[in-house]
Amino acid sequence: DAKTTQPPSMDCAEGRAANLPCNHSTISGNEYVYWYRQIHSQGPQYIIHGLKNNETNEMASLIITEDRKSSTLILPHATLRDTAVYYCIVLLVIGSGNTGKLIFGQGTTLQVKP
Amino acid sequence: DTGVSQDPRHKITKRGQNVTFRCDPISEHNRLYWYRQTLGQGPEFLTYFQNEAQLEKSRLLSDRFSAERPKGSFSTLEIQRTEQGDSAMYLCASSRQIQETQYFGPGTRLLVL
Repeated sequence: DAKTTQPPSMDCAEGRAANLPCNHSTISGNEYVYWYRQIHSQGPQYIIHGLKNNETNEMASLIITEDRKSSTLILPHATLRDTAVYYCIVLLVIGSGNTGKLIFGQGTTLQVKP
Repeated sequence: DTGVSQDPRHKITKRGQNVTFRCDPISEHNRLYWYRQTLGQGPEFLTYFQNEAQLEKSRLLSDRFSAERPKGSFSTLEIQRTEQGDSAMYLCASSRQIQETQYFGPGTRLLVL
């Protein structure tokens, strides 16, 4: 089972910031938070990941709470092309027994409206 | 284009036929993963390779499924005696051994009639 909880759907006005929440209350110290998105009928696209510090790249920002039990993906200026299913995933990348397999939940369907 | 590629992009077959899909990972990526995605669901892990070694298989991977990665480069996923329940998108992803971010291909959409 996925170790994250996300709202099933959200709407956002074009040009506004989209804030997508994710709860991962059972995350362990050596698990990263990864975000992917999947536009209809395409393969998942990597967005961003982080361990405990906030991260920013050309696509988005990732804000992780101090206790690491939740995070928020921020798309600063959403466009119609950002309409997609967004997946929040926790992944063990440090330590033994690491397979690297991703366990996807249902994700959040973000609808950006004009 | 240096991304993950998959072939074919679409496949329609009749029940009972065998099908084979190919995945070409990003160059120098040691790990290669296969996932399956049915309509309305998130992708589910099937199996993964580190170089040419298949290190884990999901219980979703029945005896009719086989995957190979000869020489640690491209990989093939074969489904024998296809069933209608095999209809899905089959996704391939690759990553470096140390840097674990996985990059996905466009997927192969299979329809079994």
